[in-house]
Amino acid sequence: NAGVTQTPKFRVLKTGQSMTLLCAQDMNHEYMYWYRQDPGMGLRLIHYSVGEGTTAKGEVPDGYNVSRLKKQNFLLGLESAAPSQTSVYFCASSSNRVGANVLTFGAGSRLTVL
Amino acid sequence: GESVGLHLPTLSVQEGDNSIINCAYSNSASDYFIWYKQESGKGPQFIIDIRSNMDKRQGQRVTVLLNKTVKHLSLQIAATQPGDSAVYFCAENKGGATNKLIFGTGTLLAVQP
Repeated sequence: NAGVTQTPKFRVLKTGQSMTLLCAQDMNHEYMYWYRQDPGMGLRLIHYSVGEGTTAKGEVPDGYNVSRLKKQNFLLGLESAAPSQTSVYFCASSSNRVGANVLTFGAGSRLTVL
Repeated sequence: GESVGLHLPTLSVQEGDNSIINCAYSNSASDYFIWYKQESGKGPQFIIDIRSNMDKRQGQRVTVLLNKTVKHLSLQIAATQPGDSAVYFCAENKGGATNKLIFGTGTLLAVQP
């Protein structure tokens, strides 16, 4: 099993460009999450999904959109990238059992916006 | 990746010693408190969790202590090994049906041989 796979691993964008990060999980998890990680700030939740076709905002949703058209995939989109969105992005998934604190994370996608 | 370790509190220990990593939390209503480990260039990995109605929980070489009076969480690692070198995050699960985790800023554990 691959677990959680993120693509691409690295990307450099110019301000104003758009892009999509793809997250795929093969564990049949209901819940999926997108976090961003910045130096000294830990991980902050951007958006999450509790099932196919549903999404919700996290702590820092502005400037991002998400879609969960298939249970195994969770896409994170940047419509107009800004330098403040330079970060490492992590996707994670978990079961829908209450108190399921075991999130399985991908290896991360490093995004640089110039 | 490597840049995660910058600007973080750092705990430096000798191989074989015990390590204690501390975390203060803010939300008394959280149902669970969790520790994650992040090695350089990888995503975080679950270590251990503790429910809010417990004070202590032990795993393999790790113990988590919860002091609700002072809103303090700690992770103890026995006989620290070089492979324990990583950034450690505490997190809170605020409950409900979503299992959203709110992470702390992390502590870098550096194990000296």
